[in-house]
Amino acid sequence: DARVTQTPRDKVTEMGQEVTMRCQPILGHNTVFWYRQTMMQGLELLAYFRNRAPLDDSGMPKDRFSAEMPDATLATLKIQPSEPRDSAVYFCASGSPPGDTQYFGPGTRLTVL
Amino acid sequence: AQKVTQAQTEISVVEKEDVTLDCVYETRDTTYYLFWYKQPPSGELVFLIRRNSFDEQNEISGRYSWNFQKSTSSFNFTITASQVVDSAVYFCALSGPMGRRALTFGSGTRLQVQP
Repeated sequence: DARVTQTPRDKVTEMGQEVTMRCQPILGHNTVFWYRQTMMQGLELLAYFRNRAPLDDSGMPKDRFSAEMPDATLATLKIQPSEPRDSAVYFCASGSPPGDTQYFGPGTRLTVL
Repeated sequence: AQKVTQAQTEISVVEKEDVTLDCVYETRDTTYYLFWYKQPPSGELVFLIRRNSFDEQNEISGRYSWNFQKSTSSFNFTITASQVVDSAVYFCALSGPMGRRALTFGSGTRLQVQP
């Protein structure tokens, strides 16, 4: 039963600290997405990769967020420095053509104090 | 720009009632995909169905059915004989053609099924 995995599941940190979230997409999937879920904004796209190349990161605050895919089995999302307004659940999803149905990981719940 | 509207914020039903969750979308693309996801209290997002813009056939899967109507830009979801385990937030989502596959989500409908 192939699944997207995310680590850590929960992260509590203090303002100003660096946060790194990791995602392992489903083997064979060539698209990877990062979304953020908050009560106020709902689910919103942060970044989108196809074959490890970034296609869309327009939803990501570029001054503090960065997303990469060092290899096909790992996607990372970094926040440096973190701020309380970054508190949210961060979801990773992966998909493959046709249609790129996205399968979501369990999410990382981030709390920035 | 794409937009998905789920006008029903919260619905409460009693077990065994049928319930329909509404979804209206806006897009200028001729090729697009529509999705429904379920988010139970545990928080994960569970894929339920995908429909492409060229396939307007309705679909039934057990107690779940979906009605896609391009004429009204709607993709509604009906649960027949609801059960307590159906209690969750349900999201409708839309994606575009190749290269624009990121999902635009609706705000979600919270369904509470009372025993």
